[in-house]
Amino acid sequence: AQSVTQLDSQVPVFEEAPVELRCNYSSSVSVYLFWYVQYPNQGLQLLLKYLSGSTLVKGINGFEAEFNKSQTSFHLRKPSVHISDTAEYFCAVLGMNTGFQKLVFGTGTRLLVSP
Amino acid sequence: DVKVTQSSRYLVKRTGEKVFLECVQDMDHENMFWYRQDPGLGLRLIYFSYDVKMKEKGDIPEGYSVSREKKERFSLILESASTNQTSMYLCASSLEPGTRGPYEQYFGPGTRLTVT
Repeated sequence: AQSVTQLDSQVPVFEEAPVELRCNYSSSVSVYLFWYVQYPNQGLQLLLKYLSGSTLVKGINGFEAEFNKSQTSFHLRKPSVHISDTAEYFCAVLGMNTGFQKLVFGTGTRLLVSP
Repeated sequence: DVKVTQSSRYLVKRTGEKVFLECVQDMDHENMFWYRQDPGLGLRLIYFSYDVKMKEKGDIPEGYSVSREKKERFSLILESASTNQTSMYLCASSLEPGTRGPYEQYFGPGTRLTVT
């Protein structure tokens, strides 16, 4: 079974500052990793995913994440945030060779960008 | 552009009522999912379907059932609604995994259900 920990429930940051949203996972098998974003009153939208290959993954809206197998982490970063990045961010893990496509989500981190 | 639609954005029902939440996707995806989202708990999988008339229980299936009579439509049924089922319900769909790994799940906008 897999689990995901997002330790920060809320991250306040000023506009144009850098931000890192932390994600750690636990799994007995190799995993695929995802970050989703949920803007107010909307469903979830994929930001980026790690399937294999380069551990640095670039996504939409200037976000990137780095897969660190030894640390079992997949932290999300953006060098300069905008007001429009205010949203909730979910990290998710999918175990390889699982019976079906069961994504396990973290509890989410609310990013609050202020002017 | 993939579109997942849900029948209602907001729904208010009374305790004991039978509730139907409908989800439709237009991209011929094999897999469809129902999640509930609660503050501090993230998303939890209720049921999953990988084909017409096929379903698998997720992590919290108690009090829910599902129906998938057509590939594009996946319904969540609350047999007898209770106040602890007040939540945001999200539907998602995806293709079957390819040789390079899984495809992303596409989400609908959600239905906020209040049971009084």
